[in-house]
Amino acid sequence: SQKIEQNSEALNIQEGKTATLTCNYTNYSPAYLQWYRQDPGRGPVFLLLIRENEKEKRKERLKVTFDTTLKQSLFHITASQPADSATYLCALGPGSQGNLIFGKGTKLSVKP
Amino acid sequence: EAQVTQNPRYLITVTGKKLTVTCSQNMNHEYMSWYRQDPGLGLRQIYYSMNVEVTDKGDVPEGYKVSRKEKRNFPLILESPSPNQTSLYFCASSLKGRYNQPQHFGDGTRLSIL
Repeated sequence: SQKIEQNSEALNIQEGKTATLTCNYTNYSPAYLQWYRQDPGRGPVFLLLIRENEKEKRKERLKVTFDTTLKQSLFHITASQPADSATYLCALGPGSQGNLIFGKGTKLSVKP
Repeated sequence: EAQVTQNPRYLITVTGKKLTVTCSQNMNHEYMSWYRQDPGLGLRQIYYSMNVEVTDKGDVPEGYKVSRKEKRNFPLILESPSPNQTSLYFCASSLKGRYNQPQHFGDGTRLSIL
């Protein structure tokens, strides 16, 4: 069956370090991959979209990679800050129903 | 300000009492959808709409109805709510695409069915 796995439910890092979040998928050939940020009590907020023929995309302190051979995406936040603490969701499409499939998320905590 | 607005934000009700959660977007988006988010299960799509008068089932449509009479509105209807529909619900919209464009989410509606 198709599966999306985000490497850990929680990730704790020190302020200033680079946070690296992983999204792995199986039995799936997505053409697009997206990352979202979700704060408690709020809806997900779009961060970055990357296509299968793009290896890497950057936006300010954020970087996403998409490796279709490894079936993996890495999401990096450089020079992390406590304000980056949130849950980060990866999403792949199209799924078997032609939709966007979300991972369960990784909760990132950045300690001062 | 570009946004997706859901109402109500919180609702506690009883089994069998019909309810409607409204969703409105001001970005002239063609695509709208509803998700529910449950602990350990993540976001799952309930219904989606590619445009006015065009709706289709998502992954978990049982017990829900939707309509799209106007481009900006996409209400979610629970005709006879049951406790297993207690969840956090999100409405989302995008310019056109189901998976190839950013999705804009509302701030959610927390439903409790007793």
